[in-house]
Amino acid sequence: KNEVEQSPQNLTAQEGEFITINCSYSVGISALHWLQQHPGGGIVSLFMLSSGKKKHGRLIATINIQEKHSSLHITASHPRDSAVYICAPRSRGGSEKLVFGKGTKLTVNP
Amino acid sequence: DSGVTQTPKHLITATGQRVTLRCSPRSGDLSVYWYQQSLDQGLQFLIQYYNGEERAKGNILERFSAQQFPDLHSELNLSSLELGDSALYFCASSARTGLAETQYFGPGTRLLVL
Repeated sequence: KNEVEQSPQNLTAQEGEFITINCSYSVGISALHWLQQHPGGGIVSLFMLSSGKKKHGRLIATINIQEKHSSLHITASHPRDSAVYICAPRSRGGSEKLVFGKGTKLTVNP
Repeated sequence: DSGVTQTPKHLITATGQRVTLRCSPRSGDLSVYWYQQSLDQGLQFLIQYYNGEERAKGNILERFSAQQFPDLHSELNLSSLELGDSALYFCASSARTGLAETQYFGPGTRLLVL
């Protein structure tokens, strides 16, 4: 079993729809990153959170440490949101090691 | 633009060869991380340096090595290259270590081993 499971693997939505991407992990973590990888390959860190909820524009990330689960929500999705979204928990114990999910490929159609 | 630079952008080489990938972190960042992204394995953490010292090690092969120089730039050396080493290699930097720090990713170096 992978340490990090993301669902769904692929997601197609119509512009304006509300999107949810889920991430479950089995390791003990100190924080969790959500990353966005554009079709050209570049990676952007969207959020880093260790508890609760964070919001940035149309993006919202939540985490439940006890349940080992995090979600990324996109409100009013737009074609420019089309990208691969990667969940990356950071292992506990002082190490900076990130463990990566396989990513969710999101396509938002106009 | 994250402020992290990587050179070269693309690299094509042959099996058995050795290459060096370079990373310059954001101004003031002390931590540098190296990641490999291949089609079959996805993203994997290779190694982290903090202020010149190795801080954490991941799935880095013995044929690979890295270092961080006094000016904080870092190099990843890949030797005895194999076809399976073809991948995108990302460098990221953060200000400090030991706390929850946002990592800023460079644009990556695309390595193709023929």
